[in-house]
Amino acid sequence: AQSVSQHNHHVILSEAASLELGCNYSYGGTVNLFWYVQYPGQHLQLLLKYFSGDPLVKGIKGFEAEFIKSKFSFNLRKPSVQWSDTAEYFCAVMRQTGANNLFFGTGTRLTVIP
Amino acid sequence: DVKVTQSSRYLVKRTGEKVFLECVQDMDHENMFWYRQDPGLGLRLIYFSYDVKMKEKGDIPEGYSVSREKKERFSLILESASTNQTSMYLCASSLPTAVNNEQFFGPGTRLTVL
Repeated sequence: AQSVSQHNHHVILSEAASLELGCNYSYGGTVNLFWYVQYPGQHLQLLLKYFSGDPLVKGIKGFEAEFIKSKFSFNLRKPSVQWSDTAEYFCAVMRQTGANNLFFGTGTRLTVIP
Repeated sequence: DVKVTQSSRYLVKRTGEKVFLECVQDMDHENMFWYRQDPGLGLRLIYFSYDVKMKEKGDIPEGYSVSREKKERFSLILESASTNQTSMYLCASSLPTAVNNEQFFGPGTRLTVL
């Protein structure tokens, strides 16, 4: 069965620290990959996505993610976090064949201390 | 901008009541989805629909049903609400393509079943 793993459940960083959130998936075929963010009290919104091409994807607010096919990973990074990055981050995977369903990880809560 | 709206932000119901959660999207998307979001579990797919009057079970359909009578509207029904259905419910919509396919989410309905 398809699964998505986010090993960090809660990450606490000081402002200006670098961030890397891990995401691994189990499906062996061609996939689309997403990172969604949910700020406190707000709805889920897309941070960045990968469909094909350059495995290093840049998203909004200075975030980027790298798709490493051999490791089945799609880790999210940001070189210098801000207090406003405090949110919950969800990795999601969609197979390019079959149903257009997203499989979500369990989420990582990021707290940035000013 | 894609807009996905949900009928209520907060809802409190009693055990055994029939509950309707409504979702409307304004971008003529074929695909619509219902998820529930629980702490530590991420988002789990309840049901989805690829077209009017079509529905498919997701990962956790038990205790739920859906209705898609019009393209823009997707309803989630709890036939007899139970306390373990207390959760945040998220609706999403997307285009039908398998590639370059992003889901757009509504603000969520926080349902409490007493």
